[in-house]
Amino acid sequence: DGGITQSPKYLFRKEGQNVTLSCEQNLNHDAMYWYRQDPGQGLRLIYYSQIVNDFQKGDIAEGYSVSREKKESFPLTVTSAQKNPTAFYLCASREISGITGELFFGEGSRLTVL
Amino acid sequence: EDQVTQSPEALRLQEGESSSLNCSYTVSGLRGLFWYRQDPGKGPEFLFTLYSAGEEKEKERLKATLTKKESFLHITAPKPEDSATYLCAVQATGGSYIPTFGRGTSLIVHP
Repeated sequence: DGGITQSPKYLFRKEGQNVTLSCEQNLNHDAMYWYRQDPGQGLRLIYYSQIVNDFQKGDIAEGYSVSREKKESFPLTVTSAQKNPTAFYLCASREISGITGELFFGEGSRLTVL
Repeated sequence: EDQVTQSPEALRLQEGESSSLNCSYTVSGLRGLFWYRQDPGKGPEFLFTLYSAGEEKEKERLKATLTKKESFLHITAPKPEDSATYLCAVQATGGSYIPTFGRGTSLIVHP
C-alpha cells in the first residue's frame, strides 16, 4: 500500500548527540515536509522540500538539517545545536500539481533526550 | 500573516451529544481549508477539504462547513471512537504550498 514510513517510532538521545529520523514515501509526491509537535503548540514547520536537491527552512529550522537526494526520501537530522529536541516529529508529503493539496502524514517519531 | 485559531481547546461530550468545533482563519486568499483527525501518538489523518464559502462536506457523523471567516466541524451523535484531536489548516493562494495549522481541539466522548 502507498504511504509514508517514519522510523524509528521511538528514539532516545543523549545530550550532545546528533540523531537522524528517516522518512520514506512511495506516493510519488513532489513535496515533503517535517513538522514538530509539542503539547498545546500545534504543528510547527521545520523544513520542506518541493523538488529533489532543494529544500527551504520553515519556522523553526535552527538546530535541524535535512537532505533531499531522492524523491522518496527526506531524512531529518536533529543536531546537538537544537536546545530542546524532545518532541514528536511528523513527516508529511503532498502532490502539488493538482487542485487538492491535503497532506499525507507518517505515524511520527518520538524523540526523547536523556 | 496567515492565522488559524481553533476553539474550544478541549471538549468533553457524552455519547450522542452533538456539538461543533470552530476554526477561525485569517488569510489573504483562501485556496483551501483542511480538517484532519489525529489519534494519540499517531500522525494526522485527512478528513475534508473545503474551497469556498457555503461549501459543505460530510463523512459519517462529521460535517464540515465553511464561511469567509470560519469553518465548523459538526459532530452528530458522537461515539467514543470519535475521540481524537481535530486539526484545522488553511492553504493560501500564491506560490507557497505551506499550510498553516491551528493548535487543534481535543475531543473526548464518554460512553
